Amino acid sequence: ETGVTQSPTHLIKTRGQQVTLRCSSQSGHNTVSWYQQALGQGPQFIFQYYREEENGRGNFPPRFSGLQFPNYSSELNVNALELDDSALYLCASSRGQGRGEKLFFGSGTQLSVL
Amino acid sequence: ILNVEQSPQSLHVQEGDSTNFTCSFPSSNFYALHWYRWETAKSPEALFVMTLNGDEKKKGRISATLNTKEGYSYLYIKGSQPEDSATYLCASHYGGSQGNLIFGKGTKLSVKP
Repeated sequence: ETGVTQSPTHLIKTRGQQVTLRCSSQSGHNTVSWYQQALGQGPQFIFQYYREEENGRGNFPPRFSGLQFPNYSSELNVNALELDDSALYLCASSRGQGRGEKLFFGSGTQLSVL
Repeated sequence: ILNVEQSPQSLHVQEGDSTNFTCSFPSSNFYALHWYRWETAKSPEALFVMTLNGDEKKKGRISATLNTKEGYSYLYIKGSQPEDSATYLCASHYGGSQGNLIFGKGTKLSVKP
């Protein structure tokens, strides 16, 4: 069983640029969520995709967007990068929408915006 | 704004000590409570998901309890080992999309041999 993988592991961008982060979900999982963890904070929910549709969004501006593909892998796109976007971005997959479903996390992409 | 609080922020114990952490969350519209262990340079790993008031779960030396009426959960580690050193995150889920967990800032545990 393949776990959740994220790429790249580290990334440096400059303010105003655009970035795409990628996530391969665990085998058999159809739901992907993205979280942002700023330094000293807990992970904060960005959005979730279920069967290729956005299925919930946190308090993030529209320049944060995503996609989920037929194989349930996912992308997080951030346009017009700002310094405050520097953070660890975590992807998590789950088997579905059930109340007791655990999330399975990747090890994250560390984004630095200069 | 829903807020999940964890205490203490960090904890240093000796090998063999037993320890516990607290997670406090708003009790209204509660749906589920998650605990994750996050070792440095690794991925957060799910420990427990609890949904019912009074739930108790156990995994080896680690156990957790849940009180949804008063809005708290305890995580216990019996006989701490150096490999238990990690950040322990709790997260509360309030329905809606399953991924919308509200995380605390975590408790960082260091176990000295």
